[in-house]
Amino acid sequence: LAKTTQPISMDSYEGQEVNITCSHNNIATNDYITWYQQFPSQGPRFIIQGYKTKVTNEVASLFIPADRKSSTLSLPRVSLSDTAVYYCLVGDRIPGAGSYQLTFGKGTKLSVIP
Amino acid sequence: DAGVIQSPRHEVTEMGQEVTLRCKPISGHDYLFWYRQTMMRGLELLIYFNNNVPIDDSGMPEDRFSAKMPNASFSTLKIQPSEPRDSAVYFCASTSGRVRNEQFFGPGTRLTVL
Repeated sequence: LAKTTQPISMDSYEGQEVNITCSHNNIATNDYITWYQQFPSQGPRFIIQGYKTKVTNEVASLFIPADRKSSTLSLPRVSLSDTAVYYCLVGDRIPGAGSYQLTFGKGTKLSVIP
Repeated sequence: DAGVIQSPRHEVTEMGQEVTLRCKPISGHDYLFWYRQTMMRGLELLIYFNNNVPIDDSGMPEDRFSAKMPNASFSTLKIQPSEPRDSAVYFCASTSGRVRNEQFFGPGTRLTVL
């Protein structure tokens, strides 16, 4: 599974757009890029996933350049409730195993300031 | 849907005691995962099941740990004997695989071994 690198922490004021970038230089052809969010005392929650270009849902946008060696999670107009740890994961079904295996790094701790 | 259910939410035990953590996956999901989260090591995959069959237990730290899934709606993670270094939050997650890399996590069990 490709290793990911992301900032340990970020601070932002309420109402601002937050961009968290993740590096994954060894991403494989079949790998998808997935982001999870974890609030204190809760399990991680799936936010968004993409393979290339741009993906948008009701929570966030995910930008993936053509070389796919990095990706950027964009959170529009953050609020205090967006304070959480955000994990970038790269991987896909294990070939021949019929399984889905996720490897979580340390994540980025986002603190939203009033 | 109630989501993934874990019990107990908190467990405090003494070194050497047996600990059993329980998980009820979301109905219809045929993959079940057990994770452990600590400050030092982050979120680690311990073992996962597909259709009640263990697929990969390479993340299980040692023989003191065992996991079972007797049916599609119940799984246990047992530690015997427990040690202080086993103190962590243990998460159970399930997925149908319908959305690639999307797993649904339970609220976790916070284990403290004294």
